Parts: sequence; structure tokens; C-alpha cells
Amino acid sequence: DTGVSQDPRHKITKRGQNVTFRCDPISEHNRLYWYRQTLGQGPEFLTYFQNEAQLEKSRLLSDRFSAERPKGSFSTLEIQRTEQGDSAMYLCASSFRSGIADTQYFGPGTRLTVL
Amino acid sequence: AQSVTQPDIHITVSEGASLELRCNYSYGATPYLFWYVQSPGQGLQLLLKYFSGDTLVQGIKGFEAEFKRSQSSFNLRKPSVHWSDAAEYFCAVGPGRGGADGLTFGKGTHLIIQP
Repeated sequence: DTGVSQDPRHKITKRGQNVTFRCDPISEHNRLYWYRQTLGQGPEFLTYFQNEAQLEKSRLLSDRFSAERPKGSFSTLEIQRTEQGDSAMYLCASSFRSGIADTQYFGPGTRLTVL
Repeated sequence: AQSVTQPDIHITVSEGASLELRCNYSYGATPYLFWYVQSPGQGLQLLLKYFSGDTLVQGIKGFEAEFKRSQSSFNLRKPSVHWSDAAEYFCAVGPGRGGADGLTFGKGTHLIIQP
């Protein structure tokens, strides 16, 4: 079990540029989550997938954000026309949903800095 | 709306002393509760979880937590801290309202270990 991986670990971009992050979940996990964490705060839920279906989006996920999970494996999170307020750590988590509840395992995160 | 409160932003403990980190939650049904730890620049590592059953749960690294429904609390404890325990600790509650399965996190408690 190699754990959740994210790429890149760090990204510096200029305001107005588009960025894309990748998350590879633990193999056989059917759920994948994206969170955003700003300095001094806890992670905030953005969206999640069960297999390839995106089942929930937070109101934090503006129209500039889009996430995909083709074939129910890895996922990408794209931010278009980045703004300075998008600077944050973007965390991915995965879980295997069975029964009522599941346990989410987090990756190391991608730290985004928008200049 | 569900919420998590971690009243202590910073806690300083001497190495070898006992530790208790507080967590209070607001949730309309039976909560699922988690404690995660985050080292600087890293993702979150699961320490322990409560879904049901015994209200005293054991986790990794010698941590334990007790669920007290009457007090809406899920405090984390460790009998003797080590310098390597210095980190940010997050309490989280799930599943989300309306079936959304993203976790709701507190703002975290920064643990400092004095030699």
C-alpha cells in the first residue's frame, strides 16, 4: 500500500494562469476527496467522487474550479484564471466506502502560491 | 450546520508530561469523529476514529480519545508526550449534512513540546 500521492508538491504561478493538480488514491479505494487548507485553518471540503461520479460540491468550489476522475482512478483538480486568494494547500484523500462510514487517508498535499 | 471547535490554538507541554487536547462538536445525529495530526508542510495522518461502540478509543503513537455524548466532546489524550509529538492536531466530524461525506475540521491545536 503506497498511500495517496499528489503531484506536484509545490506550484508557483502568476495571477490569471491556469493550474492543474493530480491525485493518485490508494488502489482499490472507491472514494476520492479534495480539500483546501489555508494558513492557520483546518482543511475545508471542496468535492468528492465515488468511482468516476462527482457526487458533491461545496459552495467553496467556484466556477473556476473543476475536478475530474476519469475511469475512477486518479483525479485532477484544475483552477482557471488563478487569483491570489487561491493560494493554499490542496489536499486529496481517498477511502473505501463500505457500510455507513469510511475513513479518509490523506496525501501530502500540493501547495499553491499565486503571485 | 455541523461544526467543530478546538478551543486551544496553542498548547505547550513539557516532554514526558501528559497531554489533553480539547474538541467539541455540533452535529444533529450520531457523529463520526476523527483526530488527525499534521507535521509542517505535510498532509494529515489519522491518529484514531470513533464510529460506534466503546467510547474510549485507542489510536497510534500512544494516543487515545474519549467520546462523551453528553458534553459533545471528543478529547485527545496521551499519558507522556515525546518531542516528536510536536505538530498540528485536527479534530474532525463526519459525515456531512444532506449526505455529503466531506469531513468538517476544527481550526487545529498547535502542540509545542518543551525539553
